[in-house]
Amino acid sequence: RKEVEQDPGPFNVPEGATVAFNCTYSNSASQSFFWYRQDCRKEPKLLMSVYSSGNEDGRFTAQLNRASQYISLLIRDSKLSDSATYLCVVNIIGTASKLTFGTGTRLQVTL
Amino acid sequence: DVKVTQSSRYLVKRTGEKVFLECVQDMDHENMFWYRQDPGLGLRLIYFSYDVKMKEKGDIPEGYSVSREKKERFSLILESASTNQTSMYLCASSLLSGGYNEQFFGPGTRLTVL
Repeated sequence: RKEVEQDPGPFNVPEGATVAFNCTYSNSASQSFFWYRQDCRKEPKLLMSVYSSGNEDGRFTAQLNRASQYISLLIRDSKLSDSATYLCVVNIIGTASKLTFGTGTRLQVTL
Repeated sequence: DVKVTQSSRYLVKRTGEKVFLECVQDMDHENMFWYRQDPGLGLRLIYFSYDVKMKEKGDIPEGYSVSREKKERFSLILESASTNQTSMYLCASSLLSGGYNEQFFGPGTRLTVL
């Protein structure tokens, strides 16, 4: 079983739509959580950290459910520029600075 | 802005060649990482380093070695390249220890081994 699992997609949505991605992690010792964004043929970049209480950054909302071991990313009012692959990332206690990456969920926003 | 640079964007090598991939960061970060990214497998950690001359194996270190002689530079070495090492290689750096710190990535090196 993969440590971090994501639906690879693609999710094809029209501009203005709301879209949500989920990610599950298998190690209950996971202590910090992130969403990274990777544009086609580019490097990953941090989109947002995910806090236990949930957090919002503009049109993006991230939530963590420790009991069920999943995190989610909600994008409201999708823009064409949101088209990218979204990587779910966790850090496990005792692994120092290592991050474990999911394989990503691809989003394509269309006119 | 944090900048992580990698020596080449594209590299073509032959089986058996020794390959050096160089990574430099300009933000005085303690931690540096080498990943490879393959379709369907995501990013997998090869090696990382939390200080000069220190290195730790990641999840897939076989066939690779690393060198960190200066804080800003982290090199990945393929002693004898093989076709299954054809991949996108990404270097990253982060500040301090612990898993709460953002990793900043370089643009990647697409290596093809013929």
